[in-house]
Amino acid sequence: DTGVSQDPRHKITKRGQNVTFRCDPISEHNRLYWYRQTLGQGPEFLTYFQNEAQLEKSRLLSDRFSAERPKGSFSTLEIQRTEQGDSAMYLCASSATGDSPLHFGNGTRLTVT
Amino acid sequence: ILNVEQSPQSLHVQEGDSTNFTCSFPSSNFYALHWYRWETAKSPEALFVMTLNGDEKKKGRISATLNTKEGYSYLYIKGSQPEDSATYLCAAFRSETGGGADGLTFGKGTHLIIQP
Repeated sequence: DTGVSQDPRHKITKRGQNVTFRCDPISEHNRLYWYRQTLGQGPEFLTYFQNEAQLEKSRLLSDRFSAERPKGSFSTLEIQRTEQGDSAMYLCASSATGDSPLHFGNGTRLTVT
Repeated sequence: ILNVEQSPQSLHVQEGDSTNFTCSFPSSNFYALHWYRWETAKSPEALFVMTLNGDEKKKGRISATLNTKEGYSYLYIKGSQPEDSATYLCAAFRSETGGGADGLTFGKGTHLIIQP
């Protein structure tokens, strides 16, 4: 069990550019979650997968955000045409079942200039 | 959108004192309630997952209770120590059969500072 890993740890990009983040969950976990966290707030739900199926996507999420988990293992989160308001910590977590605890990665900190 | 509220927002406690804080959530279609501890520069760490009304869980000096009928959970810390300083997050998971799960929705957290 190597834990949840996220790549990159930090990303600085210019407004209007596209960015992609990767998350590798714990290998036997079939649930994978993406969250966004800004200063003073708790993690804000973005989307989650059970295996390769994307079961839910936040209604707060604009069309510029898309996530995939093509083989039910790693996942990618892409943000197109980044805006300054996208600057945040993006957290990935995985769990074995719906009522088992989430294991979080260290996050990807995005700064949009 | 599932609304999860935590209070207080922040709390200063003297070392050795006991403390508690609250998480409230909609009771309809309840599925599970999670508590996490989040220390600065680290990722959130799971404390408890509770699913049944009346559940009580304990881990060392930290314990939690759950009331699913009225939609609240309490987290208790007995004999606070400086290493307990962290943000404590609760998160609620609504039943997937309830017509649109919102994933696991977090509150904003209670920021706990233990003063020596």
